[in-house]
Amino acid sequence: RKEVEQDPGPFNVPEGATVAFNCTYSNSASQSFFWYRQDCRKEPKLLMSVYSSGNEDGRFTAQLNRASQYISLLIRDSKLSDSATYLCVVYSGGYNKLIFGAGTRLAVHP
Amino acid sequence: NAGVTQTPKFQVLKTGQSMTLQCAQDMNHNSMYWYRQDPGMGLRLIYYSASEGTTDKGEVPNGYNVSRLNKREFSLRLESAAPSQTSVYFCASSEPGNTEAFFGQGTRLTVV
Repeated sequence: RKEVEQDPGPFNVPEGATVAFNCTYSNSASQSFFWYRQDCRKEPKLLMSVYSSGNEDGRFTAQLNRASQYISLLIRDSKLSDSATYLCVVYSGGYNKLIFGAGTRLAVHP
Repeated sequence: NAGVTQTPKFQVLKTGQSMTLQCAQDMNHNSMYWYRQDPGMGLRLIYYSASEGTTDKGEVPNGYNVSRLNKREFSLRLESAAPSQTSVYFCASSEPGNTEAFFGQGTRLTVV
């Protein structure tokens, strides 16, 4: 079983739609969680950290459920510029390493 | 603002050739990582270094070696390249814990 699993998509949504991605992780001792965004043929960049209480950044909301070991990302009012691959990332403090999910591809169309 | 610098950006190797991918960061980070990315596979961790002088295997270390030369530099070596190592390689650095990881622009390697 992979340490971090995501639905690969693609999610094809119209502009203005709300879309949600989920990610599950296997190591219950994982300490920190992130969502990264990767544009085609570019390096990944941090979108947002995920806090236990949930957090919001404009149109983006991230939530963590430690009991069920999953994190989610909600994008409201999708824009064409949101088209990208979204990577779920887990930091394992015990091993001091970042583990990436395979990514979920989002395509927003007019 | 250099951040994380990888060289080269593109490389074509013949099977059996060796090469070293270079990575340097100027953010004084302790942790550095090497990932490979293949279509549909996401980023898979090859090796990482939690601090200067230490290195550990990741998910896919076979066929690779690494050197943490100093706090700034973390190199990845392919001793005998194979077509299965055709991939995009990313170097990253971070501070341990709940902090952002910064990536280099990637090295696109083709082994023929």
